[in-house]
Amino acid sequence: DSGVTQTPKHLITATGQRVTLRCSPRSGDLSVYWYQQSLDQGLQFLIQYYNGEERAKGNILERFSAQQFPDLHSELNLSSLELGDSALYFCASSDSVKSGYTFGSGTRLTVV
Amino acid sequence: AQRVTQPEKLLSVFKGAPVELKCNYSYSGSPELFWYVQYSRQRLQLLLRHISRESIKGFTADLNKGETSFHLKKPFAQEEDSAMYYCAHRGSNYKLTFGKGTLLTVNP
Repeated sequence: DSGVTQTPKHLITATGQRVTLRCSPRSGDLSVYWYQQSLDQGLQFLIQYYNGEERAKGNILERFSAQQFPDLHSELNLSSLELGDSALYFCASSDSVKSGYTFGSGTRLTVV
Repeated sequence: AQRVTQPEKLLSVFKGAPVELKCNYSYSGSPELFWYVQYSRQRLQLLLRHISRESIKGFTADLNKGETSFHLKKPFAQEEDSAMYYCAHRGSNYKLTFGKGTLLTVNP
């Protein structure tokens, strides 16, 4: 167990639907990062939060949004889902300059 | 554009052979570089970071600023080393940018 918890582990949904992925960071980590991993695009950075505030945005579609709550857990909302959104979505957290990220086990999203 | 490049998508070696996974970066200044490993589409795990100069599971990586490289090496590959390896750079906002990854297969 890395200390970063992601739920659900698997999600199957239909095109056009909306889903919410949840991430609880490692205890003490203030930063949360979301990544999308697909076979053709590799690991793509989506968005970063630090202590509740958005810090950086990557290749995140307008149909996607995220937030970090006061208890530091984060949610990634994906709406109007398309087949191409099928991927592994990873959350990671970090605490300081010197450390790397700690990744969660990911949520495998399948859009049918 | 600033990026991390892993030129090999696939690398196959035999057990006991040396292995080198290549990583080149195009960032200026003093980069912060990492290697992550992913077994069978599980979570990514930190393998090495250049600032610590440590050896994990027999792997080492040296930052070569002249060649802008951070290649991952192991003198004797083991079957359990088969995995996806990602090189990553951390920018000023602590965001990690990953290379496309190299899938290492160690054959018996």
